[in-house]
Amino acid sequence: GIQVEQSPPDLILQEGANSTLRCNFSDSVNNLQWFHQNPWGQLINLFYIPSGTKQNGRLSATTVATERYSLLYISSSQTTDSGVYFCAVVKRNSGYALNFGKGTSLLVTP
Amino acid sequence: EAGVAQSPRYKIIEKRQSVAFWCNPISGHATLYWYQQILGQGPKLLIQFQNNGVVDDSQLPKDRFSAERLKGVDSTLKIQPAKLEDSAVYLCASSFSRLMNTEAFFGQGTRLTVV
Repeated sequence: GIQVEQSPPDLILQEGANSTLRCNFSDSVNNLQWFHQNPWGQLINLFYIPSGTKQNGRLSATTVATERYSLLYISSSQTTDSGVYFCAVVKRNSGYALNFGKGTSLLVTP
Repeated sequence: EAGVAQSPRYKIIEKRQSVAFWCNPISGHATLYWYQQILGQGPKLLIQFQNNGVVDDSQLPKDRFSAERLKGVDSTLKIQPAKLEDSAVYLCASSFSRLMNTEAFFGQGTRLTVV
């Protein structure tokens, strides 16, 4: 199956700092999504981004499909950004379902 | 638009007991997924439905887990008998159509503790 690797595994930031999370995948994909899992376990959709760049407020994401990676940028981080960020990909001939990485655990301190 | 609904939110059972989880997907979504998330790991697919048919259950432990989506809308996932290693969060997700690579949305999950 397709491999999804996320880095760094853990990240601690002070409020107001910027960060970049990376997702590498081992094969071409048809779909890529970024999620934020809050402390209550809910997976919140951040971006649906199989290719290109998108922005939503302080968050933006870029997927370079030809080079098999995606980046999630968080600017001016807030304590509410804490949680685990997951990248998940779909490869059409590997079942159509999302395959998740292990996540990046982010803690933003006041 | 209502999101994916799951119940119960929490469940504690003893090993060898049975348990069932319920999921109601977003209206109009043909594809429904059940995932298992063990603490500290990413979600892992258990089973995928397209309408009321199973399209992928290769990672479902069929000796103890079963799932159905009889009318192509809501779904139930059952574990019988439960083992300690089944302690996890069970997440349901839905998407408009897996064949069109549409965005998937997740419910709040059911946190299962087996003691």
